Amino acid sequence: NAGVTQTPKFRVLKTGQSMTLLCAQDMNHEYMYWYRQDPGMGLRLIHYSVGEGTTAKGEVPDGYNVSRLKKQNFLLGLESAAPSQTSVYFCASTEVGNEQFFGPGTRLTVL
Amino acid sequence: GENVEQHPSTLSVQEGDSAVIKCTYSDSASNYFPWYKQELGKRPQLIIDIRSNVGEKKDQRIAVTLNKTAKHFSLHITETQPEDSAVYFCAAGRPGGYQKVTFGIGTKLQVIP
Repeated sequence: NAGVTQTPKFRVLKTGQSMTLLCAQDMNHEYMYWYRQDPGMGLRLIHYSVGEGTTAKGEVPDGYNVSRLKKQNFLLGLESAAPSQTSVYFCASTEVGNEQFFGPGTRLTVL
Repeated sequence: GENVEQHPSTLSVQEGDSAVIKCTYSDSASNYFPWYKQELGKRPQLIIDIRSNVGEKKDQRIAVTLNKTAKHFSLHITETQPEDSAVYFCAAGRPGGYQKVTFGIGTKLQVIP
């Protein structure tokens, strides 16, 4: 099993460009999450999903959109990237009340 | 919503000494308290968790204690080794439904050989 995978691993964007980050899990987990990690800020939840076709806002949702059209995939979109969105993005998945399994992360730089 | 405070933000110990990281939470309904370890450039990974129906849990050199009355929980690492050097995150929450866990800001632990 691959666990949780993320694509791409690295990306550089110019201000105003858009992109989509893909998270995929092969553990048949219901719950999936998108976090951003910034120095001194820990892991902050952007959006999450409790099942196929559902999404909910987390702590820092502004400037991001998500979709969960298939149970195994959770997409994070940036419609108009800003330098403040420079960060490392982690996806995670879990069954209810159990360990979150994280992906390897995507390092995004917005110039 | 839940608010988790974690301290210290950095911690240096000599190899073989013990390390303690403390967290407090605000939501008295939180019932799940995991700890994650993140090595440099890697993904966070669960090292131990505790639920609100127990006060202490051990796994070899790692232990976690929970005080529900005071709403704080701690991670204890004994006989520290250089490979324990990493960032450690605590979290608290009520997973299930639309509930979720909230992470602390992390503690960077350095074990000096």
